[in-house]
Amino acid sequence: DIQMTQSPSSVSASVGDRVTITCRASQGISGWLAWYQQKPGKAPKLLIYAASSLQSGVPSRFSGSGSGTDFTLTITSLQREDFATYYCQQTISFPLTFGGGTKVEIK
Amino acid sequence: EVQLLESGGGLIQPGGSLRLSCTASGFTFSNYAMRWVRQAPGKALEWVSAISATGSNIYYADSVKGRFTISRDNSKNTVFLQMNSLRAEDTAVYYCAKRFTSDGKYYHGMDVWGQGTTVTVSS
Repeated sequence: DIQMTQSPSSVSASVGDRVTITCRASQGISGWLAWYQQKPGKAPKLLIYAASSLQSGVPSRFSGSGSGTDFTLTITSLQREDFATYYCQQTISFPLTFGGGTKVEIK
Repeated sequence: EVQLLESGGGLIQPGGSLRLSCTASGFTFSNYAMRWVRQAPGKALEWVSAISATGSNIYYADSVKGRFTISRDNSKNTVFLQMNSLRAEDTAVYYCAKRFTSDGKYYHGMDVWGQGTTVTVSS
C-alpha cells in the first residue's frame, strides 16, 4: 500500500498569510494526487485534482504542485473561511490512501 | 442539485451487523463509480471501499476485507455497504462519495460527498 505523509500536522496562521502544506508518498504516484478541505462536522470538499488542477468553484488562492513523491498545497492570502483541516489522497491505485491531515488554525 | 444521502447508521454491539445505504440524485448514477470513506472521531479520513459503475469491479481496505461488502442497485440509484462482524474500531462517520470526472477523464478522487452517517460499535 502507498503511505501518504503530511506535514505539518497543524499550523497557526493569520488572515492574509501564505500557508504551505506538504504531502509525501511512500512511492512514486506521478501526478495522481488530490487535496481536500474539511470543516468540523462537514464532509470533505475536493479542492485540487491531478496534483495541480483546481476544481471548479475553488478560489484561485489555492494551488497545488508536485509530482512523483513530493507535493504541496499552497494557500496565498489566507481567508477566514480557509481555517479547516486539509487532506491529501493518492489516486493512482487501490487502496486510495489519505494523508493524516493538516489543521490550519487561527493564530 | 447533485446530492448523496446516506442512511442506516446507529449504535450496534460488537459482532453485530449494519447495512448502510447511499441514495444519489441529480446525476446519472449508473455512469459513476462510488466509494465509501470513513472517519473515526478525531481521526483522519480512511478510504473503505469502492465499486465500479456496473458493479463488476470492487475494492476494499485491508481493515474491512472479509467483513464488509459493497454493492449497488442502479435501478434505485443506491449504493450499499453491508458491515458484518463489527468492531469498536469501526466506529466512525461513514461517507459515500462519487468518483470525480473532468473533461471526459476519470480520476479516483471524489467530488460529491454525502453528509455522512454515524456508526457506533459499543456494548
